[in-house]
Amino acid sequence: KAGVTQTPRYLIKTRGQQVTLSCSPISGHRSVSWYQQTPGQGLQFLFEYFSETQRNKGNFPGRFSGRQFSNSRSEMNVSTLELGDSALYLCASSLTGTGRSTDTQYFGPGTRLTVL
Amino acid sequence: AQRVTQPEKLLSVFKGAPVELKCNYSYSGSPELFWYVQYSRQRLQLLLRHISRESIKGFTADLNKGETSFHLKKPFAQEEDSAMYYCALRDSARQLTFGSGTQLTVLP
Repeated sequence: KAGVTQTPRYLIKTRGQQVTLSCSPISGHRSVSWYQQTPGQGLQFLFEYFSETQRNKGNFPGRFSGRQFSNSRSEMNVSTLELGDSALYLCASSLTGTGRSTDTQYFGPGTRLTVL
Repeated sequence: AQRVTQPEKLLSVFKGAPVELKCNYSYSGSPELFWYVQYSRQRLQLLLRHISRESIKGFTADLNKGETSFHLKKPFAQEEDSAMYYCALRDSARQLTFGSGTQLTVLP
């Protein structure tokens, strides 16, 4: 079974631009979560989508948004980029996102975003 | 708000020695706790969860609600255990909160 894939793997943008990152979950997985990883703040939860609906949202400004398609693929968008948005963005998929012992969350390799 | 604390950023032990990675949490509800591991140049992956009470790669972790801890232990460390370890808590809204991580190095 193919793992979680994320595209692109690396991205360089300038302040003020906007960016879209993509995540393809493992086949059959309906829950997709996004995380931001930085040296200073560590791993922080952004949001979770399940069956095309945002089910949970972390404490990030409205510039961070996402969506999920009917095939469970997900995108996250960051508008008006700031230098502090430079980070590794990880997505993770699971069957239902319930956290039960049968529902493991699998992570993708991440997209490294650099904002200049 | 919940918090997960991993007090050690770096931890070094010799091969064959016991290892314990500390994790403390604060959460008003009933937590679900996990340990994730990231080996060099690999993806973050689930190591174990407290609900399953399992032992994975010789690692165990016991939830101590009295001390609000979920320490990860292994009696005999191996060089291949060298990795970054993250403790995480899932709240009632299914949101995962991660600790800052502990880089474990097992010396030969």
